[in-house]
Amino acid sequence: AQRVTQPEKLLSVFKGAPVELKCNYSYSGSPELFWYVQYSRQRLQLLLRHISRESIKGFTADLNKGETSFHLKKPFAQEEDSAMYYCALSESKSGGSYIPTFGRGTSLIVHP
Amino acid sequence: EPEVTQTPSHQVTQMGQEVILRCVPISNHLYFYWYRQILGQKVEFLVSFYNNEISEKSEIFDDQFSVERPDGSNFTLKIRSTKLEDSAMYFCASKKETQYFGPGTRLLVL
Repeated sequence: AQRVTQPEKLLSVFKGAPVELKCNYSYSGSPELFWYVQYSRQRLQLLLRHISRESIKGFTADLNKGETSFHLKKPFAQEEDSAMYYCALSESKSGGSYIPTFGRGTSLIVHP
Repeated sequence: EPEVTQTPSHQVTQMGQEVILRCVPISNHLYFYWYRQILGQKVEFLVSFYNNEISEKSEIFDDQFSVERPDGSNFTLKIRSTKLEDSAMYFCASKKETQYFGPGTRLLVL
């Protein structure tokens, strides 16, 4: 069974500080990993996915298969980064269909 | 920019009543999804829909749930006989390459 663990329910930092939101997963196959973000009063949206290897809004995430982790990092947090962040894992299936499993989410608060 | 829309934004119903939650996916998307999030808990996958049929469903999606794409634009989730534990935020999503979520419908079962 696939499982996603986000150990921190809340992460509080000051503006300009580095941020790392932890995500560990459990899956026997080759997973696709995602980070979703939900800003206050806005809809859930995809932030980034491991296959893209891109940096979005200064955030990066590297898939570490040895440690089964997909931590989200940003070197200098901004106040506008305050949001709920969800790590998700998906088994990739033929035809593009997939069943994602979400972590419980980490609330990031960036203080001025 | 096109968006997934959902109606209603809030719904209150009595236990045992049927509810239909509506979603309008982005028009050229091919995959459609329903998720729920019980207050304080994680987002949970319910069902995915492709080519006019269910492609995947979770254990949560039992016989009380059904989905339909009645007219080629709307994508509905029906709960036949609501229970108290169905109270949650229900999110619709659609995907072509990237998944886009709707704003959610907050369902309260009394």
